[in-house]
Amino acid sequence: IAGITQAPTSQILAAGRRMTLRCTQDMRHNAMYWYRQDLGLGLRLIHYSNTAGTTGKGEVPDGYSVSRANTDDFPLTLASAVPSQTSVYFCASSRDGGNIQYFGAGTRLSVL
Amino acid sequence: GQQLNQSPQSMFIQEGEDVSMNCTSSSIFNTWLWYKQDPGEGPVLLIALYKAGELTSNGRLTAQFGITRKDSFLNISASIPSDVGIYFCAGQPASRDDKIIFGKGTRLHILP
Repeated sequence: IAGITQAPTSQILAAGRRMTLRCTQDMRHNAMYWYRQDLGLGLRLIHYSNTAGTTGKGEVPDGYSVSRANTDDFPLTLASAVPSQTSVYFCASSRDGGNIQYFGAGTRLSVL
Repeated sequence: GQQLNQSPQSMFIQEGEDVSMNCTSSSIFNTWLWYKQDPGEGPVLLIALYKAGELTSNGRLTAQFGITRKDSFLNISASIPSDVGIYFCAGQPASRDDKIIFGKGTRLHILP
């Protein structure tokens, strides 16, 4: 079934540890996005990629990095996790930057 | 930066009631989207609107692209228990070439 796959589904992480959230899409979409969702704050854009080989910063990029080596994969890395990064993380993709975005099921991350 | 003001933040209604929620901005938008997020899942697109004044239905859901291009409305008729969730508006600003921005969501609760 075509769509976006995120892994892991959930993770508990000790503060200071490095963590990579994985995101893969099989729709051949050019653009991909990472959001975090926190109660009362909605979806906030962390980083995005308009096409393979390019990335850009969103609204809340600090403490996160991304790479886009190919069309399908867009991993999000927390180099040294902090408790304020406890959140639900969603990956999304769209055919082009301004088009409808399709979301994965999310990764629930707890940093202790 | 540009913002979408979505209201209400939450709603408590009786099963069978109609629901209305809206999204407004001080800027003009080219596209309006409405998403629903079920508990534990990622947002799923409900309705997409591309033209000022456009009125589109999807089953019991109806959404409108405001004539001023600065607002959009979502109505749900005869609510049922499975309508529970968070509803997000999203839009592509006319002043930008890419990237849709999201409202903070309306959380819908249905009382038995």
